[in-house]
Amino acid sequence: EVQMVESGGGLVQPGGSLRLSCVASGFTFRSYEMNWVRQAPGKGLEWISYISSRGSSMYYADSVKGRFTISRDNANNSLYLQMNSLRVEDTAIYYCARDDGGNSWDHWGQGTLVTVSS
Amino acid sequence: QSALTQPASVSGSPGQSITISCTGTTSYVGNYNLVSWYQQHPGKAPKLIIYEVTNRPSGVSNRFSGSRSGNTASLTISGLQAEDEADYYCCSYAGTWFFGGGTKVTVL
Repeated sequence: EVQMVESGGGLVQPGGSLRLSCVASGFTFRSYEMNWVRQAPGKGLEWISYISSRGSSMYYADSVKGRFTISRDNANNSLYLQMNSLRVEDTAIYYCARDDGGNSWDHWGQGTLVTVSS
Repeated sequence: QSALTQPASVSGSPGQSITISCTGTTSYVGNYNLVSWYQQHPGKAPKLIIYEVTNRPSGVSNRFSGSRSGNTASLTISGLQAEDEADYYCCSYAGTWFFGGGTKVTVL
């Protein structure tokens, strides 16, 4: 069974940093492109970052470019999101999502909540 | 920057069919098979229900179908059931990936 479990969320002050993790199981992680998608409380979905299967290509939404860094460790079936210079508007549930190869996301984690507040 | 416009809400009675539209401001929706749809129940992660405009993943009910006309993609739910009450999001690639604002489906 495909499973992805995010962790690392929590309460952080504006300007602070957090590192999110997503541990995958039940599939060959190194063969799949991965993404982070977030959802602010009561709001819609927002794609924020993509990484290729080997980690050689990364893309970011304009809202996080220069502040967030996506990475992966294929040996440990893990995806990461380093978030720096956090803002109040970064408050959201952060989901990791597996790319099915057709520009859609067929499996999602349960999400981890990041709250940026003073 | 691309935007995808969805109606904020759609409702229907059990057994009816409803359609949710998703209109793109660029030609990506019309020119590429890169539209997907997601269902999200309250407190749950999104679930892929349509990919590449018209395709259903394995295990998704055939009551869900996708289509496209020009720069507008649509999701139709046939034989509406209580369990279909959820938020629905379209998504398209246009340089990067964009979601529509979401549509809340209410089963009357």
